[in-house]
Amino acid sequence: ILNVEQSPQSLHVQEGDSTNFTCSFPSSNFYALHWYRWETAKSPEALFVMTLNGDEKKKGRISATLNTKEGYSYLYIKGSQPEDSATYLCAFKVGNTPLVFGKGTRLSVIA
Amino acid sequence: NAGVTQTPKFRILKIGQSMTLQCTQDMNHNYMYWYRQDPGMGLKLIYYSVGAGITDKGEVPNGYNVSRSTTEDFPLRLELAAPSQTSVYFCASSWVGQLNQPQHFGDGTRLSIL
Repeated sequence: ILNVEQSPQSLHVQEGDSTNFTCSFPSSNFYALHWYRWETAKSPEALFVMTLNGDEKKKGRISATLNTKEGYSYLYIKGSQPEDSATYLCAFKVGNTPLVFGKGTRLSVIA
Repeated sequence: NAGVTQTPKFRILKIGQSMTLQCTQDMNHNYMYWYRQDPGMGLKLIYYSVGAGITDKGEVPNGYNVSRSTTEDFPLRLELAAPSQTSVYFCASSWVGQLNQPQHFGDGTRLSIL
């Protein structure tokens, strides 16, 4: 059974702080790594889909990196804002099998 | 731009009742999925479908059934509702092919079984 680990489970940061969290996944048979942003009472929304070792993707103040050889991805948020408060999910894919989701990192940004 | 539409948004069932959660997508996606979200447990895959007429079990399929008679629709059926099925259910769809595409989620159905 594939397992995706996210850390930390939750964190609180002050508005303006930069932060990052980790997604670890099995490094063999890698196909793709997805990041989703999930606000309370809403549905998950895709941030990034990453496929190549060394991939770096950016959307506004949020960026992500991928290391498929060692099996991890980092998500960075620069200058956190209260509207960044959400759960950030990563999900790992092997071939055309369904995504395996981590439990998420719950971010709270305090104004 | 509808995307993935789930109905109903909320429902309360009695133990032993049955119901169908509806899901439809208008993006011509080949793959569709049903997840349940339990507190602290993230998203667990119940069933998925790679195309019309084809369905497969996910991680937690017991107590559920699905069908995929068309590309657009992927209903989830609970035959004998149990308290353990109280959860928030999300339907999702994606295009799986040469390019990696993200999943698109519906707004969820909050189901309580009493």
